[in-house]
Amino acid sequence: DVKVTQSSRYLVKRTGEKVFLECVQDMDHENMFWYRQDPGLGLRLIYFSYDVKMKEKGDIPEGYSVSREKKERFSLILESASTNQTSMYLCASGAGGASYNEQFFGPGTRLTVL
Amino acid sequence: GENVEQHPSTLSVQEGDSAVIKCTYSDSASNYFPWYKQELGKRPQLIIDIRSNVGEKKDQRIAVTLNKTAKHFSLHITETQPEDSAVYFCASGDSGGYQKVTFGTGTKLQVIP
Repeated sequence: DVKVTQSSRYLVKRTGEKVFLECVQDMDHENMFWYRQDPGLGLRLIYFSYDVKMKEKGDIPEGYSVSREKKERFSLILESASTNQTSMYLCASGAGGASYNEQFFGPGTRLTVL
Repeated sequence: GENVEQHPSTLSVQEGDSAVIKCTYSDSASNYFPWYKQELGKRPQLIIDIRSNVGEKKDQRIAVTLNKTAKHFSLHITETQPEDSAVYFCASGDSGGYQKVTFGTGTKLQVIP
């Protein structure tokens, strides 16, 4: 059974702080993703990674960076948090390869930036 | 990049009735179309997907249809039950092994007992 975990369910930070969101998967998946979920906007891709140390920008990468030093761990970094980054952040992982496999989501981190 | 539009944004049906959610996509290279269900307070989970070489796929009370010419696909839920109440997201993806998909904006389905 695939398990994707995120470091925090709720997080409150102040404007200008550096914020780290961590995601860990236990199924040896190649691909990992970070989304933000906002009402009426659906799930928007911030960054994804298809291998260790490899990353690709998604649709809304501005203000974010990522790190993937180990296959099972994918971190999202807000270098200087701003109030418009208050959102639900969802991590996902998938097996990758030639066929299209489902993405398995973590429980989400609700981040509030004051 | 890919653009996915989803309608309606909210949908209320009586228990036992059918529900239909429609999505359109812009990138003709897209060939994978999953649907995710997100119950209140929970993570999204895949409920059904379809590939471009198939026009329709069914799994018990849910079905998905795809019209590649018109670039639209739909989710059909028959005999709706209260536990079908959730937010449903469509998505589309292009070829390649990275699994990158673009999600629609979601449909909140309420099934009224």
